[in-house]
Amino acid sequence: DTAVSQTPKYLVTQMGNDKSIKCEQNLGHDTMYWYKQDSKKFLKIMFSYNNKELIINETVPNRFSPKSPDKAHLNLHINSLELGDSAVYFCASSPYRTGSTDTQYFGPGTRLTVL
Amino acid sequence: AQKITQTQPGMFVQEKEAVTLDCTYDTSDPSYGLFWYKQPSSGEMIFLIYQGSYDQQNATEGRYSLNFQKARKSANLVISASQLGDSAMYFCAMRGVSSNTGKLIFGQGTTLQVKP
Repeated sequence: DTAVSQTPKYLVTQMGNDKSIKCEQNLGHDTMYWYKQDSKKFLKIMFSYNNKELIINETVPNRFSPKSPDKAHLNLHINSLELGDSAVYFCASSPYRTGSTDTQYFGPGTRLTVL
Repeated sequence: AQKITQTQPGMFVQEKEAVTLDCTYDTSDPSYGLFWYKQPSSGEMIFLIYQGSYDQQNATEGRYSLNFQKARKSANLVISASQLGDSAMYFCAMRGVSSNTGKLIFGQGTTLQVKP
């Protein structure tokens, strides 16, 4: 029944490690997103894919690399983790192309802690 | 540039009373959507309500309604008959059409506490 799922829910790791977060949606949506919520709860877009095509790539360090194997999955790989990467990462999806105002539905979030 | 402003970092409301959470926005986009999300302490982001910029009527969803004043560029969330479970952080967000990126721009959030 889960619409947008993310794994893992919690991720604790050492500085310098490489880690991945996986996202899957079973809503049949065309567009998926990654957002970052910082320690002050501010949410900001990182990436967006539409039918496996990268649409949005905000000013994000290139240590972050999204990958979309198909339109139901959008993974986030982070290389050489830094303390400042500690945050909650949300995956989201929406039905149509990015030019519309349709609703985005969020996954449960992944809390990443870098030690 | 698009911007969302939520000026109330924290609000208190007595159970069963109504509360209004403020949201103002700035955009040059002729067509846009406004959204409210709820984030309880468990952390998930729950979609509450949507208002399109060309919608003639204010949106309502159960106990949630959106007081949309286009000329003032405000989209306040009204929660009627507050419940203890409404205690959470609430985010206003906007999505424009013309940029064709679809990204949501979020406000800073308002923490609502419902008192028994």
